[in-house]
Amino acid sequence: AQTVTQSQPEMSVQEAETVTLSCTYDTSESDYYLFWYKQPPSRQMILVIRQEAYKQQNATENRFSVNFQKAAKSFSLKISDSQLGDAAMYFCAYRSGEFGNEKLTFGTGTRLTIIP
Amino acid sequence: DAGVIQSPRHEVTEMGQEVTLRCKPISGHDYLFWYRQTMMRGLELLIYFNNNVPIDDSGMPEDRFSAKMPNASFSTLKIQPSEPRDSAVYFCASTLRPGPYEQYFGPGTRLTVT
Repeated sequence: AQTVTQSQPEMSVQEAETVTLSCTYDTSESDYYLFWYKQPPSRQMILVIRQEAYKQQNATENRFSVNFQKAAKSFSLKISDSQLGDAAMYFCAYRSGEFGNEKLTFGTGTRLTIIP
Repeated sequence: DAGVIQSPRHEVTEMGQEVTLRCKPISGHDYLFWYRQTMMRGLELLIYFNNNVPIDDSGMPEDRFSAKMPNASFSTLKIQPSEPRDSAVYFCASTLRPGPYEQYFGPGTRLTVT
């Protein structure tokens, strides 16, 4: 079974600075998808960014980018120019590339605090 | 589109009572998921449907839990009888197709069993 590990329960960053959240996963599959979801205090789960394992290029979405290291099974999220609205729980998630297996496996989350 | 709709947003009930949580997925989405979030266990998938058919219910904790999807626009998660350890936030999510596509989450139902 796949597992997702987020080793940083809490992180904090000064507003406008850059922060990196870590995520590692364990799988024997070669085809899979990785996601970062954000959960603000409203508890709504919002997709931040996604990465297909077959793509070598790291995904980027505006201020959010990932460092995907397939061999190391690492998938970190970098947030540039941090803003107060970025304060939230961030969850890393894994989905198998196997057709018909749609299960999302989540990590335990990292609580990000933005310091004004 | 209104997004995934869940009701109620909050539910407080006494141990032993039946609880029914409801979900309306985004129109046209073929997949529907039920998740549970607790401090102890984090976010875990309970069950998911494809075209109204349950595909994987291995995450359903025990026989007290049941889920149905009678049509493409409605699903229920029922707990009978409820226990205090069922207290959690229950999320419903839907997606159009498999693979890298985003699962859209509803706002969740916070269930408290006293």
